[in-house]
Amino acid sequence: DAGITQSPRHKVTETGTPVTLRCHQTENHRYMYWYRQDPGHGLRLIHYSYGVKDTDKGEVSDGYSVSRSKTEDFLLTLESATSSQTSVYFCAIRALNTEAFFGQGTRLTVV
Amino acid sequence: TQLLEQSPQFLSIQEGENLTVYCNSSSVFSSLQWYRQEPGEGPVLLVTVVTGGEVKKLKRLTFQFGDARKDSSLHITAAQPGDTGLYLCAGVGASRNTPLVFGKGTRLSVIA
Repeated sequence: DAGITQSPRHKVTETGTPVTLRCHQTENHRYMYWYRQDPGHGLRLIHYSYGVKDTDKGEVSDGYSVSRSKTEDFLLTLESATSSQTSVYFCAIRALNTEAFFGQGTRLTVV
Repeated sequence: TQLLEQSPQFLSIQEGENLTVYCNSSSVFSSLQWYRQEPGEGPVLLVTVVTGGEVKKLKRLTFQFGDARKDSSLHITAAQPGDTGLYLCAGVGASRNTPLVFGKGTRLSVIA
């Protein structure tokens, strides 16, 4: 298995609270991605990173921020969680011109 | 944004039947990847096609990349219940830092 770990695996939080999801890799891959997966929408890109402190927005970035201060960690923060952010979140890592390896996912429920 | 359209969205077939899933875009990709995802897991790569017109076979699965590198297909021969899952195509853009973009997926159910 590729060395990628997401934490937590499950979380229930209240509307309006901040939430941070962590993605940790041991592969030293350059690229890291955060996707959300919802029925009927497939995998939608939230934010991605192409190096330490180099990040960019994806198609559904509103309400989310990210940070990558080290190669191995990519953090996704929901500043003030809303019910529309209830989803399964996947982190992926990738080296140049290779496949993406995905974490096990984080199931987030905002009540 | 480079969009990938997959069809059909859902497919339910009997064991032993053949099927084809399509992945189409108006954009050109440097390569295209197919992933399979099972419930509760992240997607796992099946194949990468790079050259226009390329055909790759993986047991009963045949993948083809369009000549113009804008579309791809996945054909499964004699489907088995173990083929059940969500099939996703993903496009790799020509620019170095372009992110991996996914289609919405085809959910396949093979009934024994």
